[in-house]
Amino acid sequence: GAVVSQHPSRVICKSGTSVKIECRSLDFQATTMFWYRQFPKQSLMLMATSNEGSKATYEQGVEKDKFLINHASLTLSTLTVTSAHPEDSSFYICSATVWAYPSPYEQYFGPGTRLTVT
Amino acid sequence: ELKVEQNPLFLSMQEGKNYTIYCNYSTTSDRLYWYRQDPGKSLESLFVLLSNGAVKQEGRLMASLDTKARLSTLHITAAVHDLSATYFCAVVRGGADGLTFGKGTHLIIQP
Repeated sequence: GAVVSQHPSRVICKSGTSVKIECRSLDFQATTMFWYRQFPKQSLMLMATSNEGSKATYEQGVEKDKFLINHASLTLSTLTVTSAHPEDSSFYICSATVWAYPSPYEQYFGPGTRLTVT
Repeated sequence: ELKVEQNPLFLSMQEGKNYTIYCNYSTTSDRLYWYRQDPGKSLESLFVLLSNGAVKQEGRLMASLDTKARLSTLHITAAVHDLSATYFCAVVRGGADGLTFGKGTHLIIQP
């Protein structure tokens, strides 16, 4: 149990276009979802916290108008990178938590989406 | 601001040896996590440590937590090549906040 999926797994887009990444909890309802970014050979950086039905909370330095997060249901959060530029190329990973089954403390990570902006 | 420091950042060792990765964090936290990441992949959860003195073991990996020293260790016993990966520790700021990660320890185990 506790599976998180992401779609797409890999995307290449042209500079100036927008890309939407989906994060789904497949077998549980997520209390909260998080979005992280990882540049090559670097650590993960928290971008934003997303709760169903409310506005996302962005970390300092993350442009909320560029990285649009929508959390429409307890099983789906989306991250839209608007007007993407090459410096947005990165590995985007979501995670989900639930304060109950299967574990109130675990964070369940998706498989990640590799975005390349040309 | 919560800071998480790992050391070493790079470790090359031979099979059969023991070694320890250290994780220090700067402010009080409720939970500490250890993850493994293989190249091009997402994170695999290894351990969640919840209280002072917590010790968890899985196979050749053992993690411990000292909340007073704000220190966690990941000990590798009799390393095998399959344990080659990058290991991250991460700390939650509190409540339902997201994780702050260390820079990761890139571990290479030579057969």
